[in-house]
Amino acid sequence: KAGVTQTPRYLIKTRGQQVTLSCSPISGHRSVSWYQQTPGQGLQFLFEYFSETQRNKGNFPGRFSGRQFSNSRSEMNVSTLELGDSALYLCASSPQSYEQYFGPGTRLTVT
Amino acid sequence: KNQVEQSPQSLIILEGKNCTLQCNYTVSPFSNLRWYKQDTGRGPVSLTIMTFSENTKSNGRYTATLDADTKQSSLHITASQLSDSASYICVVSFLSGTYKYIFGTGTRLKVLA
Repeated sequence: KAGVTQTPRYLIKTRGQQVTLSCSPISGHRSVSWYQQTPGQGLQFLFEYFSETQRNKGNFPGRFSGRQFSNSRSEMNVSTLELGDSALYLCASSPQSYEQYFGPGTRLTVT
Repeated sequence: KNQVEQSPQSLIILEGKNCTLQCNYTVSPFSNLRWYKQDTGRGPVSLTIMTFSENTKSNGRYTATLDADTKQSSLHITASQLSDSASYICVVSFLSGTYKYIFGTGTRLKVLA
């Protein structure tokens, strides 16, 4: 079974721009969660989608949004990028249990 | 407040030596505890997962223990190798409608030749 895939793997954007990251979960998994990881903060939960609906949300500003498609693929969007948004963005898929499988992440650098 | 604390923050050991990483949590109601290994710039990979009734779980040279009474877990690495250099993250999950996850900030381990 293929693992969680994330695209792109690396991204460089300028302050003020917007960015869209993509995550394809493991086949059959309907839950997708997004996390931001920075050196000082560790893993911070952004949101979770299940069957195209946002089920949980972390404490991030409205500039961070996401969606899930009918095939369970998910996208995350960050608008009006700030320098502090530079981070590794991780996606994790889950088969509706406590299991979580992480993707390789997207490294976003905002200059 | 649900929290997971890991110690030490960082650790340097020589190849072939053993080490133990600690995880203390105040998460309720507890569902399970997982240890992840994360190589730099990559996603975390699960090493072990333990539920309330399990107090030890091994995965090769990695052995995790869980004391649900004191809410402590440890990850013991035996005969360390250079490839063990990574961050180790403790995650505790609990069920509140849906499963939620509390992440520790990790222990950064460096193994030197």
